[in-house]
Amino acid sequence: GQNIDQPTEMTATEGAIVQINCTYQTSGFNGLFWYQQHAGEAPTFLSYNVLDGLEEKGRFSSFLSRSKGYSYLLLKELQMKDSASYLCAVRDGDYKLSFGAGTTVTVRA
Amino acid sequence: ETGVTQTPRHLVMGMTNKKSLKCEQHLGHNAMYWYKQSAKKPLELMFVYSLEERVENNSVPSRFSPECPNSSHLFLHLHTLQPEDSALYLCASSQVIAGSYEQYFGPGTRLTVT
Repeated sequence: GQNIDQPTEMTATEGAIVQINCTYQTSGFNGLFWYQQHAGEAPTFLSYNVLDGLEEKGRFSSFLSRSKGYSYLLLKELQMKDSASYLCAVRDGDYKLSFGAGTTVTVRA
Repeated sequence: ETGVTQTPRHLVMGMTNKKSLKCEQHLGHNAMYWYKQSAKKPLELMFVYSLEERVENNSVPSRFSPECPNSSHLFLHLHTLQPEDSALYLCASSQVIAGSYEQYFGPGTRLTVT
């Protein structure tokens, strides 16, 4: 089976940095996605890691270590609009994504 | 036109009703998906269609019946549902080619079964 773990909730202050960890144990691995989902809205794509290392996209960065079954999403210079749920998902094959339960990030002024 | 649209956005139905959820993608993608999202639980993949053929069916009860008439449209037909089927149903699409596997999601249909 697929096992993808991430913290349930995190709180941080505006302007700060938050790191959301994701560990996975899956039957196959072909890449890892991070999605952002605001309440009542569709998940939107943030990042995709296939190889080990850090991918940076503006204020958001994502890291992958395949040997450790570990990824993190780093959110820098937090803004109030970053309050959302962040979903970690492992790609297994061409179609299948297995998701974690999501981490709800609350940004406080 | 937004990439993936879903109708209706909200649906309340009794256990004996029959209803359908509709999804349309305007991105020219070749694969479409149905997911179920329940509170505090991971998104659950229900069905996958690639080039209008069903390629994944994740042990979903037969009271959920998908239909993909063409590459742009996907339906989920519902009948004799149970209260535990109340959830957000998300549609997604992707273009399955080497190096590109991102799935684009619609806004979802919030389903309540009474």
